[in-house]
Amino acid sequence: DAGITQSPRYKITETGRQVTLMCHQTWSHSYMFWYRQDLGHGLRLIYYSAAADITDKGEVPDGYVVSRSKTENFPLTLESATRSQTSVYFCASSDPNLDEQFFGPGTRLTVL
Amino acid sequence: EDKVVQSPLSLVVHEGDTVTLNCSYEVTNFRSLLWYKQEKKAPTFLFMLTSSGIEKKSGRLSSILDKKELFSILNITATQTGDSAIYLCAESYGGATNKLIFGTGTLLAVQP
Repeated sequence: DAGITQSPRYKITETGRQVTLMCHQTWSHSYMFWYRQDLGHGLRLIYYSAAADITDKGEVPDGYVVSRSKTENFPLTLESATRSQTSVYFCASSDPNLDEQFFGPGTRLTVL
Repeated sequence: EDKVVQSPLSLVVHEGDTVTLNCSYEVTNFRSLLWYKQEKKAPTFLFMLTSSGIEKKSGRLSSILDKKELFSILNITATQTGDSAIYLCAESYGGATNKLIFGTGTLLAVQP
């Protein structure tokens, strides 16, 4: 089915561990985005990508790394997880000719 | 960086009521104003507004943009319990990159 998927949907990890959240879209959208959603802050942009091999920082990039070797995939890695990174993470994609972004189902990450 | 402010933060109404949700934004690199609905999952797109004074309508929901006063409203008439959700407003900015900056959202609860 066409769409945008994220995995895992739920993840519990410990402080200091490396965690990778996966995002895959089948629309061939060139733009992809990672957000985190926390109470009181709404959705905040972590990183975005305009095309394969082109990525840039958003509002809250510290502690995160992204890569985009293929158009359809945009993994987000927490190199050394901290409790403050406990959050719900959403991946989104968009066509460059449209402002509307389509969101994945989210990953709920808990860092103990 | 531009800021998006939504009000009220939360709202409780009864079925059949009409509600108005507010969104104000800053204009540094404004492209468009978007509304999303978020139930217990990913945000889903409702409207995109680019021109002042032109109402967008979908069923019982409607929205309008005022580019002079830098705000938008989302109206929901004859509310139903299924309208209970977080309503997010976002400004598209940043030239060619389709970036969105979100408000913190309005939590709407519709009671039977």
